[in-house]
Amino acid sequence: AQSVAQPEDQVNVAEGNPLTVKCTYSVSGNPYLFWYVQYPNRGLQFLLKYITGDNLVKGSYGFEAEFNKSQTSFHLKKPSALVSDSALYFCAVQGAGGGNKLTFGTGTQLKVEL
Amino acid sequence: DSGVTQTPKHLITATGQRVTLRCSPRSGDLSVYWYQQSLDQGLQFLIQYYNGEERAKGNILERFSAQQFPDLHSELNLSSLELGDSALYFCASSVGWQETQYFGPGTRLLVL
Repeated sequence: AQSVAQPEDQVNVAEGNPLTVKCTYSVSGNPYLFWYVQYPNRGLQFLLKYITGDNLVKGSYGFEAEFNKSQTSFHLKKPSALVSDSALYFCAVQGAGGGNKLTFGTGTQLKVEL
Repeated sequence: DSGVTQTPKHLITATGQRVTLRCSPRSGDLSVYWYQQSLDQGLQFLIQYYNGEERAKGNILERFSAQQFPDLHSELNLSSLELGDSALYFCASSVGWQETQYFGPGTRLLVL
């Protein structure tokens, strides 16, 4: 069975500072990894994904994520946080041999303060 | 805007009732997925259809059923509703197998 862990319920960061939202995964075979963001009363918006290739994946709105196979991690990063980045962030995994379903983590609330 | 539409946005109903949630995928997408988001269970995969056929089932209750029509829109039917069915129900679509899933805005269901 595939699973995702987001160890932090909330991350607080000052605007302009770098941010990291952590994610670790467990899946059989090569993983397909995703980050989505959810703003209040909105659906999930796709940020970025890792399928294969370069371990550093660049996505929307200046976000990037680093895939680390040995640590089974896929942390979301941004060099300089904005107040408008405040939202709920979900990491998800899709097993290469396990069908299409996305298995989500519990989400991390990011709060960026002035 | 992802291009995935869901209706209605909000639904309030009583226990024991039956409701239908509707989803229109992005133009050209053949796969439709349904997910449930609740405070206690988080985001959970319910079911997937691809070009009209059921392809995968997750933690979907027997009281729930879904279908995808020839025009590729999908409906999720929830019957004998219980208080615990109150949740946000998302539809997502993708072009094909293991492509990026794009989510609709969701239908918020409240069972009283």
